[in-house]
Amino acid sequence: DVKVTQSSRYLVKRTGEKVFLECVQDMDHENMFWYRQDPGLGLRLIYFSYDVKMKEKGDIPEGYSVSREKKERFSLILESASTNQTSMYLCASRGYQGDTGELFFGEGSRLTVL
Amino acid sequence: GEDVEQSLFLSVREGDSSVINCTYTDSSSTYLYWYKQEPGAGLQLLTYIFSNMDMKQDQRLTVLLNKKDKHLSLRIADTQTGDSAIYFCAVSRGNYGQNFVFGPGTRLSVLP
Repeated sequence: DVKVTQSSRYLVKRTGEKVFLECVQDMDHENMFWYRQDPGLGLRLIYFSYDVKMKEKGDIPEGYSVSREKKERFSLILESASTNQTSMYLCASRGYQGDTGELFFGEGSRLTVL
Repeated sequence: GEDVEQSLFLSVREGDSSVINCTYTDSSSTYLYWYKQEPGAGLQLLTYIFSNMDMKQDQRLTVLLNKKDKHLSLRIADTQTGDSAIYFCAVSRGNYGQNFVFGPGTRLSVLP
């Protein structure tokens, strides 16, 4: 069974703290993504990566950075968390093989910044 | 860029049919998807349709695609309380890169 695993389901951090969100996939997918989900806004792409050490900005990269040192792992970093980064963060992966092109999602990480 | 629109809420009675609608702007979208998100969980692919198809049926689910109007719909027959969730429409121009655009999601509430 394919799997995308996010390290933390719930986090509570204080303003100014550094936050790491980790994501691991076991499908040998080339592409990995970080989205944030807010009510009424759907999913917005923060960053994506199409290969190890490669990254591309999505629609809302400000305040975030990412790291992809290994193919299976994609990390989202908030250098200095702010209250407007309180949200649900979803990791996804996608391969080049197969005929559906679907994204596979993790369970999500709900971050609260106080 | 691509824009995908959905109504935000839908309520139906248990046993009725639900129809969730979606419109998109990019006529070159080749893959169209419906994802389901249950409370506190990630998104799971429910069904998909290729742009060269008009309809796809999978048990209680029927997907209709009107390419001329750029309109996609998801019909759930005999809706159950377990169908209560957020349903996202998404479109893609291919299975490369990040060209995957989601709608805002429709929250389906099934009333007993």
